[in-house]
Amino acid sequence: QVQLQESGPGLVKPSETLSLTCTVSGGSISLYYWSWIRQSPGKGLEWIGYVYYSGRTDYNPSLKSRVTISVDTSKNHFSLRLKSVTAADTAIYYCARDSGFGHGSETYYNVWGQGTLVTVSS
Amino acid sequence: DSVLTQSPATLSLSPGERATLSCRASQNINNYLAWYQQKPGQAPRLLIYDASNRAPGIPARVSGRGFGTHFTLTISSLEPEDFAVYYCLQRSNWPHGTFGQGTRLELK
Repeated sequence: QVQLQESGPGLVKPSETLSLTCTVSGGSISLYYWSWIRQSPGKGLEWIGYVYYSGRTDYNPSLKSRVTISVDTSKNHFSLRLKSVTAADTAIYYCARDSGFGHGSETYYNVWGQGTLVTVSS
Repeated sequence: DSVLTQSPATLSLSPGERATLSCRASQNINNYLAWYQQKPGQAPRLLIYDASNRAPGIPARVSGRGFGTHFTLTISSLEPEDFAVYYCLQRSNWPHGTFGQGTRLELK
């Protein structure tokens, strides 16, 4: 059974870069799309972007200028970098998996990490 | 992107009662809609996909219906473990999915 685990600093200073990693266990990172999603009281659940195992990416237009998502298939993990953070980026960050556009349960986020709280504060 | 509006914001019911939650899309999303349940301290859990199909392991008392712009999630007879927050998600413009703002189902 595939499991996802987020890791990274829980506190980031304003204007700095938030960096998180999601490690995939119990299955291969290949042939799936891997997303970052965040949840804050103010904006609810928000899709940040995805990376395919090939390295292809796409991002939420509202965050595109600040986001980079990458994958390391040799380590079976993928990563998020969000630069120039402000207090508005304080949220629980989740990683999640889906199989791409179409129909079927796997075409939605059907596997999630437990989430990690990131606070932006000096 | 289609905006999803969930109603009501809060629903207060008792165990054994029927719960009906609504999710309206600002434009046609066919049936590219899912429902999730979230409990405190946990990640969302997929309940319904493609508007009306139960995800593996989801009990038969949970059902979804709808197509186009109006969708509903129904729990026929509430169990204590059903009290949580429910979100709808549309993927018609994959990968740019958007979530509704949630409905809190609370114990009356």
